[in-house]
Amino acid sequence: QQQVKQSPQSLIVQKGGISIINCAYENTAFDYFPWYQQFPGKGPALLIAIRPDVSEKKEGRFTISFNKSAKQFSLHIMDSQPGDSATYFCAASSGRGSTLGRLYFGRGTQLTVWP
Amino acid sequence: GAVVSQHPSRVICKSGTSVKIECRSLDFQATTMFWYRQFPKQSLMLMATSNEGSKATYEQGVEKDKFLINHASLTLSTLTVTSAHPEDSSFYICSGRRGETQYFGPGTRLLVL
Repeated sequence: QQQVKQSPQSLIVQKGGISIINCAYENTAFDYFPWYQQFPGKGPALLIAIRPDVSEKKEGRFTISFNKSAKQFSLHIMDSQPGDSATYFCAASSGRGSTLGRLYFGRGTQLTVWP
Repeated sequence: GAVVSQHPSRVICKSGTSVKIECRSLDFQATTMFWYRQFPKQSLMLMATSNEGSKATYEQGVEKDKFLINHASLTLSTLTVTSAHPEDSSFYICSGRRGETQYFGPGTRLLVL
């Protein structure tokens, strides 16, 4: 069972546009929600992360929006650039219990930004 | 920052041989390290969780006798693929946990001929 559901699977955006990737989860024990960016042949790199006590977090062109009641969170990339073309993974983890720190990943979104 | 290195970055081996992959946290101590496998255009699949000084915890379906994990120090974990077969060919990625965040290595591409 997929603990974190991510959509869309692929996304094509024009340069300067806004890229939006959505994720949803069921486990209310999750309390940490990171986004990772992965380029081909490389390991994932932490992009931005949020905890459920805030509804939005912004770092540069990247913003996470978090809706605790709907158990959804999304990544917005403003002014998308060709260099943002990569695969993006949302993830969730719990700071409690036997699965402490284990990340549950979405299936990933392949973003292509056209110049 | 939090940097994790992996060595080698890519390896080609013959079927039946063993391959060791090293994962090091360069600027932090990782009491927990994770090993993942990733197939092309797919998400990361957790193989095992490794805690320093104790036995690794393997995910269901992962053969612990085939994928040997050792976490001998707070900065080093190793994954040994024993008696490798072509179906073991994949991209293997490790991560180190610092606080609530996992920092990933650059990955190791394994090709078994």
